[in-house]
Amino acid sequence: DAGVIQSPRHEVTEMGQEVTLRCKPISGHNSLFWYRQTMMRGLELLIYFNNNVPIDDSGMPEDRFSAKMPNASFSTLKIQPSEPRDSAVYFCASSFNAGAPQYFGPGTRLLVL
Amino acid sequence: DAKTTQPPSMDCAEGRAANLPCNHSTISGNEYVYWYRQIHSQGPQYIIHGLKNNETNEMASLIITEDRKSSTLILPHATLRDTAVYYCIVRVDGGSNYKLTFGKGTLLTVNP
Repeated sequence: DAGVIQSPRHEVTEMGQEVTLRCKPISGHNSLFWYRQTMMRGLELLIYFNNNVPIDDSGMPEDRFSAKMPNASFSTLKIQPSEPRDSAVYFCASSFNAGAPQYFGPGTRLLVL
Repeated sequence: DAKTTQPPSMDCAEGRAANLPCNHSTISGNEYVYWYRQIHSQGPQYIIHGLKNNETNEMASLIITEDRKSSTLILPHATLRDTAVYYCIVRVDGGSNYKLTFGKGTLLTVNP
């Protein structure tokens, strides 16, 4: 099993630019999660999808952040425009169902200059 | 979900058993104990979970006390690659309960 796949692994961009992070969940998993990790705030849940439908986006910081899941094998997290405070590691995770163990991807390290 | 208390750090010698404790004195009857770990620069990794019986898999063993107020994760033969932050999380299993709240965890350092 390939596990959760995320791309890019590293992203450096300038303030104001659009950033798109990508995730491919484990095949057969119907729940997908986006997390953000910083030293100050730890690991935070941004959004949760079930069967491709956003269920809980209360963790999305502000309107600059958006997430989509057009099909069961692909999700994106977009930041537009990006700001330096968005610099963090963004993880995607998937699980067989909502309450099952979550399996995390390797993360995308984002640096906004 | 019930809160957990873990020591901030622990050391273990390579090849020895690592025993990581977790207190969850306010755990409810339907809450499971989950363990994850995060190796530096990697995503969190699911290890094991249990309700009240002891559990074992290829990675670790989970010992839950009879009153369920505490538990211990055991890595039987720790290696340098087991150096990581270990998180003990308590949550209701299954159904629509999707939240996984990570605390500060225990930094386990395995020394040669």
